[in-house]
Amino acid sequence: NAGVTQTPKFRVLKTGQSMTLLCAQDMNHEYMYWYRQDPGMGLRLIHYSVGEGTTAKGEVPDGYNVSRLKKQNFLLGLESAAPSQTSVYFCASRMGRSYEQYFGPGTRLTVT
Amino acid sequence: GESVGLHLPTLSVQEGDNSIINCAYSNSASDYFIWYKQESGKGPQFIIDIRSNMDKRQGQRVTVLLNKTVKHLSLQIAATQPGDSAVYFCAENAGGYQKVTFGTGTKLQVIP
Repeated sequence: NAGVTQTPKFRVLKTGQSMTLLCAQDMNHEYMYWYRQDPGMGLRLIHYSVGEGTTAKGEVPDGYNVSRLKKQNFLLGLESAAPSQTSVYFCASRMGRSYEQYFGPGTRLTVT
Repeated sequence: GESVGLHLPTLSVQEGDNSIINCAYSNSASDYFIWYKQESGKGPQFIIDIRSNMDKRQGQRVTVLLNKTVKHLSLQIAATQPGDSAVYFCAENAGGYQKVTFGTGTKLQVIP
């Protein structure tokens, strides 16, 4: 039981490049989330999903897209990376009737 | 490790002493609170939670106190150990599973 895994762990992009971050969970959780964490700030919700095939915008969705084609996977895409998207990205998942979120180890993204 | 510890308030505690980490929450409508622990280079990890109809909850070596009058939450760690060194942050939930707001965190340093 690996819990929540994220790929890749580190990435450096040039401005304008695109990439996809992959989150996978093996706990059969319904809900999945993408957050970004910046120094001095709390976790901020980018997008989330309440089930396979559904996605919704969070607090800071601009510049990101997501897809949840399979229940266990939640993908975060950056179509045209900007330096303001330099951050640490965390994926999380939870069961339907629990507030407790299980987090992945994070992806550190640097956009130059 | 990640840079999440920058610009955070820091609490330094001698090994074996008790630690008290405080959190002021913002929304008087919040009805559920969680404390997370984040070690360097890792994702946040659930520690303990409390509902708004309670003012105290105990776990293993941890106690959470809730004062709704002044919108204050605290996490007490008994007999602090080196493994407790991490960033701790609270999260509040104000209606609906998606409306979770995370605090910025406090860095706990345990002095051996």
